Amino acid sequence: QKEVEQNSGPLSVPEGAIASLNCTYSDRVSQSFFWYRQYSGKSPELIMSIYSNGDKEDGRFTAQLNKASQYVSLLIRDSQPSDSATYLCAVNYNSGTYKYIFGTGTRLKVLA
Amino acid sequence: KAGVTQTPRYLIKTRGQQVTLSCSPISGHRSVSWYQQTPGQGLQFLFEYFSETQRNKGNFPGRFSGRQFSNSRSEMNVSTLELGDSALYLCASSGAGQNNEQFFGPGTRLTVL
Repeated sequence: QKEVEQNSGPLSVPEGAIASLNCTYSDRVSQSFFWYRQYSGKSPELIMSIYSNGDKEDGRFTAQLNKASQYVSLLIRDSQPSDSATYLCAVNYNSGTYKYIFGTGTRLKVLA
Repeated sequence: KAGVTQTPRYLIKTRGQQVTLSCSPISGHRSVSWYQQTPGQGLQFLFEYFSETQRNKGNFPGRFSGRQFSNSRSEMNVSTLELGDSALYLCASSGAGQNNEQFFGPGTRLTVL
């Protein structure tokens, strides 16, 4: 059973700090990795995608992928109260066809 | 580019009824996936359609079905509704290829009374 695991949180960080969100996955043939942000009552919004080992930066967001250790993380620099949301990790597996598996999400609270 | 649209946004039904939800993907996207989201279970994959064919299916009973039309618009149907079907139903579209990102619509909030 392919799985994607996240700590449910809540993860509380003060405004201006770095928030670090982690995700582990179980299948070594995973192809692509995604981070979504979901505000309460809204649908998930794609914020980062990463396909190869290393770091990928986009504004205040940095995604880190380590395929050998099977984890992917999201760093949010200079956290703002508006970053308070649930962050979903998604993994795209190639099992003949491509399937997305989502983690249950980590709730982030940025304290003003 | 217009995003993914879903209709209706809210539905209230009673047990035993059936419901049809609609999704229009981003222009040019041929893959449409459906998810059920509940507080306890998170995002659960229902099925994926690509070029009018069901390409993947999750672990849901046969009461849940879907289809895709030649213009890539998709519908999902739930028959004989149960209280546990109350959830946010999300549609996501993506282009072809292994790295293509999924973009979600606003969802349909279904309440079964």
